[in-house]
Amino acid sequence: AQSVTQPDIHITVSEGASLELRCNYSYGATPYLFWYVQSPGQGLQLLLKYFSGDTLVQGIKGFEAEFKRSQSSFNLRKPSVHWSDAAEYFCAVAPGDYKLSFGAGTTVTVRA
Amino acid sequence: NAGVTQTPKFRVLKTGQSMTLLCAQDMNHEYMYWYRQDPGMGLRLIHYSVGEGTTAKGEVPDGYNVSRLKKQNFLLGLESAAPSQTSVYFCASSSGTSGSTDTQYFGPGTRLTVL
Repeated sequence: AQSVTQPDIHITVSEGASLELRCNYSYGATPYLFWYVQSPGQGLQLLLKYFSGDTLVQGIKGFEAEFKRSQSSFNLRKPSVHWSDAAEYFCAVAPGDYKLSFGAGTTVTVRA
Repeated sequence: NAGVTQTPKFRVLKTGQSMTLLCAQDMNHEYMYWYRQDPGMGLRLIHYSVGEGTTAKGEVPDGYNVSRLKKQNFLLGLESAAPSQTSVYFCASSSGTSGSTDTQYFGPGTRLTVL
């Protein structure tokens, strides 16, 4: 069965610093990969997704993610974090049947 | 264009009571989903629907029922609520045109507490 692991439960980063969130998946073939963000008290919003082609994917709000097949990873990055990026971030995989399987999430705190 | 809306936003139930959560979408999407979110567990799929009149079980369906009588609405029912069903419930929808690469659009959530 497919699974998604987000090793970091909580990350604290200073405003203006770079951010990297880790995501590892377990699946036999190349899955479809997603990153969602959940701001406090809100629903989830799609940041970006990967399903083929260029392994570096650009998303909204200045985020990007890189798919590395050899490492089964799909890490999310942002060069310079803003206070509004404080949220919970979820990596998800769709193994081919349009249903999403989510990781446990990483909470990002931004300090001034 | 409201996207995905959920009713109610908050609810407190006593053990054994029943309730229905309503999800509505105005994007003409074919697929709709119900998830529950618990701390440290991410979102888990309860039930889903790939079209009007169809429903299917997800990862954690026990204790829940669903109905999709109209394309724009997806109802989640709890017949006899239990404390283990205390959670935040999210509804989502997707167009169904691109299968697994479709973006799912989420509602704002319903926070349910069962005492």
